[in-house]
Amino acid sequence: DVKVTQSSRYLVKRTGEKVFLECVQDMDHENMFWYRQDPGLGLRLIYFSYDVKMKEKGDIPEGYSVSREKKERFSLILESASTNQTSMYLCASSLGGTLYYGYTFGSGTRLTVV
Amino acid sequence: AQSVTQLDSQVPVFEEAPVELRCNYSSSVSVYLFWYVQYPNQGLQLLLKYLSGSTLVESINGFEAEFNKSQTSFHLRKPSVHISDTAEYFCAVSEVAAGNKLTFGGGTRVLVKP
Repeated sequence: DVKVTQSSRYLVKRTGEKVFLECVQDMDHENMFWYRQDPGLGLRLIYFSYDVKMKEKGDIPEGYSVSREKKERFSLILESASTNQTSMYLCASSLGGTLYYGYTFGSGTRLTVV
Repeated sequence: AQSVTQLDSQVPVFEEAPVELRCNYSSSVSVYLFWYVQYPNQGLQLLLKYLSGSTLVESINGFEAEFNKSQTSFHLRKPSVHISDTAEYFCAVSEVAAGNKLTFGGGTRVLVKP
């Protein structure tokens, strides 16, 4: 069964900490995405990557950065966590060049910044 | 830029009753359309998609959605819901020429009552 695995289900961090959210996929997908999910706002795209070492800003990149050193791993970094970054973070991946199979999502990381 | 509006944030419905979840998008170009479902404490799963061809698409568990280009809509329907359909449903759109980036709506929470 194909999988997108997010390393933590729940995370509590302090304001100002540097936070790493890890995502690994085992489907050899070219594309990987980070979204945040907030009630009433749905999913908003933070960053995405179409290939190793490539990254592009999504709709709400401020306060975040990403790293993709290997094809299977896409990390989201909160440089200095703030309380308004308390949210559910969802990682997804997809095959390059087609949306026929849609995205495969991880189970999410619920981050609380205190 | 593309955007997606889900007109109902919550839809309570009795078991075995029909349900319709409304989705409208804004885009002036050709699009791909998706419905995803998120069961409690899980990630998002692809429910159905419209890429081309027949404007009426169906899922394996009885949902259907119809692409209406003139009304820029992709409403989701099920003639008879089950308790197990309690979940949050997200509509998403991708412009055909914009690569694999999905834009999601705010979500509709469906609560099926016995």
